[in-house]
Amino acid sequence: AQSVTQLDSHVSVSEGTPVLLRCNYSSSYSPSLFWYVQHPNKGLQLLLKYTSAATLVKGINGFEAEFKKSETSFHLTKPSAHMSDAAEYFCVVTYTGGFKTIFGAGTRLFVKA
Amino acid sequence: DVKVTQSSRYLVKRTGEKVFLECVQDMDHENMFWYRQDPGLGLRLIYFSYDVKMKEKGDIPEGYSVSREKKERFSLILESASTNQTSMYLCASSSPQGAGDTGELFFGEGSRLTVL
Repeated sequence: AQSVTQLDSHVSVSEGTPVLLRCNYSSSYSPSLFWYVQHPNKGLQLLLKYTSAATLVKGINGFEAEFKKSETSFHLTKPSAHMSDAAEYFCVVTYTGGFKTIFGAGTRLFVKA
Repeated sequence: DVKVTQSSRYLVKRTGEKVFLECVQDMDHENMFWYRQDPGLGLRLIYFSYDVKMKEKGDIPEGYSVSREKKERFSLILESASTNQTSMYLCASSSPQGAGDTGELFFGEGSRLTVL
């Protein structure tokens, strides 16, 4: 069965330090992979997406993610955290050949001053 | 700028009331979705639609119905609201990328419903 695992439910970093949010997926097909961000009482906003082009994907607000097929991972990184990055982040996978979108459980990012 | 608009951001209803949540998208997308989001349970798909007048049950359709009379509008209906339907409801739309692939989802701001 297809699944998405976000390895950390909470991540806390200091402002100005790197951010790493981890995501692993299981797949029998070629996936499309996304990271979304959700600020409190808001909808989900797309940060970046991988759809079988370059394995290193750059998104908005300085975030990027690397697709590693051998590790079935799609970790989200940012070199330097900002207070405004505090939010919940969702790793999302869709599969070709099926009308299916799977959401990770979410990782809440805390940024300390 | 692409947009998915949910008409009500916050609603308070009483048990047994009929509730309509409206969602409109301006991107001419074929696919539209209703999710609910609850702490510890993540996002769960209630219903989706891939064309006008077409609807499919998602993972938790019980207690809900939907209507898609026009391509741009997808309504979620709670026929008789109950307290366990207190939640954040998110509407999304997408355009198919290939054989059944849902592609990128565009979300509305959400409707927070409280049922007393």
